[in-house]
Amino acid sequence: AQKITQTQPGMFVQEKEAVTLDCTYDTSDQSYGLFWYKQPSSGEMIFLIYQGSYDEQNATEGRYSLNFQKARKSANLVISASQLGDSAMYFCAMRVHGSGNTGKLIFGQGTTLQVKP
Amino acid sequence: KAGVTQTPRYLIKTRGQQVTLSCSPISGHRSVSWYQQTPGQGLQFLFEYFSETQRNKGNFPGRFSGRQFSNSRSEMNVSTLELGDSALYLCASSSVSGLAGGAEQFFGPGTRLTVL
Repeated sequence: AQKITQTQPGMFVQEKEAVTLDCTYDTSDQSYGLFWYKQPSSGEMIFLIYQGSYDEQNATEGRYSLNFQKARKSANLVISASQLGDSAMYFCAMRVHGSGNTGKLIFGQGTTLQVKP
Repeated sequence: KAGVTQTPRYLIKTRGQQVTLSCSPISGHRSVSWYQQTPGQGLQFLFEYFSETQRNKGNFPGRFSGRQFSNSRSEMNVSTLELGDSALYLCASSSVSGLAGGAEQFFGPGTRLTVL
């Protein structure tokens, strides 16, 4: 079964410090993509970063980086130099590129991040 | 480039009624997916449309249906509303449908449906 697990319901971080949000996934498919989204209280899902299963380098987008450990099936999000505006819910998601070739995303339960001034 | 738009943003309905939600994808995007978000169940995939064809469907009852038009705009319909249908409904658009190598899905602001 395909599944995403986020074990941290809530996290606190001091402003300007780095924080790691955990994500583990389960799939038997070889080709898949992993996503992180941010959802502020307004509700909109904001795309942060993507990692393909065949990508050899860890993805980075500005202050966001994805620590991809394929053997451990983990795809942790690292946010460097946290800002107050980073306070939000964060979702890890997976899309399997099987023969169905669809856009279906499987989401984890999310982690609420609060940045303290 | 305009983002994904969803209308209406808020909706209040009563049990038994039906509702239609609309999603306009980013220009040039042909894939539209719909998701339901509730506090109890989290984010769940409803269905995906690509070039006017439903490519995949989640585990929802037949009361949930959708369609996509030739301009890639998509609508989602829920008939005979139940209290449990109260949720944030999100749509996402993508330039390709599930191909390896990226194809990020960009989400709209959502429609918050309340069923009384």
